Amino acid sequence: IAGITQAPTSQILAAGRRMTLRCTQDMRHNAMYWYRQDLGLGLRLIHYSNTAGTTGKGEVPDGYSVSRANTDDFPLTLASAVPSQTSVYFCASRGDGLNTEAFFGQGTRLTVV
Amino acid sequence: AQSVTQPDIHITVSEGASLELRCNYSYGATPYLFWYVQSPGQGLQLLLKYFSGDTLVQGIKGFEAEFKRSQSSFNLRKPSVHWSDAAEYFCAVGPGGYNKLIFGAGTRLAVHP
Repeated sequence: IAGITQAPTSQILAAGRRMTLRCTQDMRHNAMYWYRQDLGLGLRLIHYSNTAGTTGKGEVPDGYSVSRANTDDFPLTLASAVPSQTSVYFCASRGDGLNTEAFFGQGTRLTVV
Repeated sequence: AQSVTQPDIHITVSEGASLELRCNYSYGATPYLFWYVQSPGQGLQLLLKYFSGDTLVQGIKGFEAEFKRSQSSFNLRKPSVHWSDAAEYFCAVGPGGYNKLIFGAGTRLAVHP
């Protein structure tokens, strides 16, 4: 089934550790995004990529990095996790056509302790 | 600045009652508007979208939304709510194509039997 796969589904991480959240899509979408979801704040954009080889900063990029080596994969890395990065992380992609919506993965629930 | 406001954080309705979830946006150009639904522990699923044309759009699960440019609103409605509609609902705005979407903080809907 075509879509977006995120891994892991959930993770408990010690503060100061490095962590990479994985995201893979098979829809050949050029644009991909990472959002974090926090209660009362909705979804906030962390980083995005409009095409392979390019990335950009979203609303809350500090403490996160991304790479886009190919069309399908868009990993999000926390270099040194802090408790404020406890959140649910969603990866999304969007097609090139003008009238397209974003498709979302199932999310990664990350707890930093 | 681009933004989306969902004034109601929580709404409770009785099963069979009508529903309206409010969404107001601030956007400098022609907006592309979306409503997504998130069931507990799940990712986001698209309910409906508006790009142009008829300002009343129909979506899945019996939902509809009306775009009112003069009020900068895109309210979601359903004439008769089912218990399975209990979820969190997000309004989003963005340009067309691959560009990133801006989300509101969400409205959590509870349905009483």
